[in-house]
Amino acid sequence: GQQVMQIPQYQHVQEGEDFTTYCNSSTTLSNIQWYKQRPGGHPVFLIQLVKSGEVKKQKRLTFQFGEAKKNSSLHITATQTTDVGTYFCAGPIQGAQKLVFGQGTRLTINP
Amino acid sequence: KAGVTQTPRYLIKTRGQQVTLSCSPISGHRSVSWYQQTPGQGLQFLFEYFSETQRNKGNFPGRFSGRQFSNSRSEMNVSTLELGDSALYLCASSLDFPGIVEQYFGPGTRLTVT
Repeated sequence: GQQVMQIPQYQHVQEGEDFTTYCNSSTTLSNIQWYKQRPGGHPVFLIQLVKSGEVKKQKRLTFQFGEAKKNSSLHITATQTTDVGTYFCAGPIQGAQKLVFGQGTRLTINP
Repeated sequence: KAGVTQTPRYLIKTRGQQVTLSCSPISGHRSVSWYQQTPGQGLQFLFEYFSETQRNKGNFPGRFSGRQFSNSRSEMNVSTLELGDSALYLCASSLDFPGIVEQYFGPGTRLTVT
């Protein structure tokens, strides 16, 4: 079935370093969503990308949607301890009726 | 606006028992989705309800069921609990299909089966 793969599974960085997580789909996606889950918390919606090649920024976070709409990335510049958590990408399947989540990238930061 | 609420927050059950979890969506949201989250499997889709109808279902056994009431509140039930059902159960509400618009997650119910 349709899958959304996310790498890396874990990433540990020094505070101030950059961080990137990648999301790849086996099929073309109509859109892609990103969520963040803090330790002990629940997923919180970050952003949705819809257009091919779209790039959106939220302060130090940059989200990209690939030209073929099969991959996406989240880049954090100069990480801070508040960025700790697991970042999930999610893509719709079955005509956008369902959302399938990637396995997530768990980010830990050494202050 | 009040967020998504889930009750209870924590639950300990014994194998073979059944359990009912409750979710109240954000006011005005008619779509409620349920997910199971475990360290090994990540976020797995259980089912989605809209206007009291189950629109979509994930690949879980029939022991997992749900329903939605006219006020959009939703419940999920797991019968004949197994050790592997220990997980965080999250519900999420949205205005429309979860693949189209953003979802708002509740804090989850942590179920432990012993």
